[in-house]
Formats: sequence, structure tokens, C-alpha cells
Amino acid sequence: GEDVEQSLFLSVREGDSSVINCTYTDSSSTYLYWYKQEPGAGLQLLTYIFSNMDMKQDQRLTVLLNKKDKHLSLRIADTQTGDSAIYFCAESIGTGGFKTIFGAGTRLFVKA
Amino acid sequence: GAGVSQSPSNKVTEKGKDVELRCDPISGHTALYWYRQRLGQGLEFLIYFQGNSAPDKSGLPSDRFSAERTGESVSTLTIQRTQQEDSAVYLCASSLVGQAGGNTIYFGEGSWLTVV
Repeated sequence: GEDVEQSLFLSVREGDSSVINCTYTDSSSTYLYWYKQEPGAGLQLLTYIFSNMDMKQDQRLTVLLNKKDKHLSLRIADTQTGDSAIYFCAESIGTGGFKTIFGAGTRLFVKA
Repeated sequence: GAGVSQSPSNKVTEKGKDVELRCDPISGHTALYWYRQRLGQGLEFLIYFQGNSAPDKSGLPSDRFSAERTGESVSTLTIQRTQQEDSAVYLCASSLVGQAGGNTIYFGEGSWLTVV
């Protein structure tokens, strides 16, 4: 089946690193994504990783993919109060189409 | 257009009435999605259109929900005989399948539906 799971909450202190974890079930995932939703705003793409990669770094963001365990993580270095938001993990399934399934989202609270 | 456009942005309707929500995807995007987000919840997949292929309707919660898309343009999500549990934000998104970065999805601002 198609399922993406995330922990619901994460609280960190400003300046620390945040690690948000995600597990997925569909082994045919082609791309995996992290989206960010700020309060009262729409979802925006943060970063993505192709399924044949195991790591991608983009400034303060590091994405790690363990395809064997179907585990994806997002690390935010030097977390700032402006990083407080909901972070959604998502997977695109299949090669003929790109049906995209989202997790329930992880609410990140950053304490000053 | 420059982004995904949805209308209405807010809709309050009485229980039992039908509602139509409209989505204009980004021009040239072949894939179009509808998701539902209840207050404080994650995104629930509803339906997915890709080009001329048959839509993937596996996420529609009941036969009161239906969606259509005209070619590769506008889509309408219709909810018949609305119930209070239909209250949510209905998010439309589109993507250009096959681009670098896979299936990057661009979301609209959503249509906030309240059933009273």
C-alpha cells in the first residue's frame, strides 16, 4: 500500500540542529520530497531527492535517504525561529505516473 | 498563469447543499491534484489527473465527491450533499511531469470550505 508516516511534533532550541524523520512503504518511489507549510500559508517545496541517491545537501538542509529501510530524514542545521512550520514528507510513486502521497506533517517548534 | 489559482478562496455552505471548487493549474502542467487538509491535519490525497490518462480517484472519500478536468486546464471538484465533516481546506496542485526534480508540485492557496 501507499503510506507515509512522520512524527507529529518536534521541539528544538534556536541554534541547534533539527532532524525530522519519515518512513514510507512503497518501494517504487522515484522521488522523495520535503515541503514546508508556514502558518496560514500554502505548501512550498523545500528540497527533493531522487531515489537512487542517499544524500543531498542544500545550504542548511541535509536530506538522507535509506532506501533499504524506506527511511527519509531532513536535517536543518542552526535552526532559527523562522524555521518554525509544518514539514511534510512526500513520495512520488511509479514510473508511468507521478502520484504523490504526503505524510501527516511534523510541526517544528523552535524555542528562542 | 503564474501560479495555481483556486476559487472560491472561502465558502460557507449549508449542510446538504452542493459545492463546486475550481482550480486553474499552471499553464503547461500536465498533472493536476486535489488534496484535502482538515484543521491541524496532514494532506489527504483525493484525486490525480495526468494528461489524457484515466484519473486516479482512489482517494475520493465517498461517491458524493467527484472531479473533472478539461484537457490539461481547469479542474472542478464537486461535493454533493455536503456534510459537516467535509469542512476543510481543499488544495489543488499541478506539476510538469518529467521535469528535472521529478514531480515538483506547486500548490494553490486552497479553498476553505465550511459546512454549517
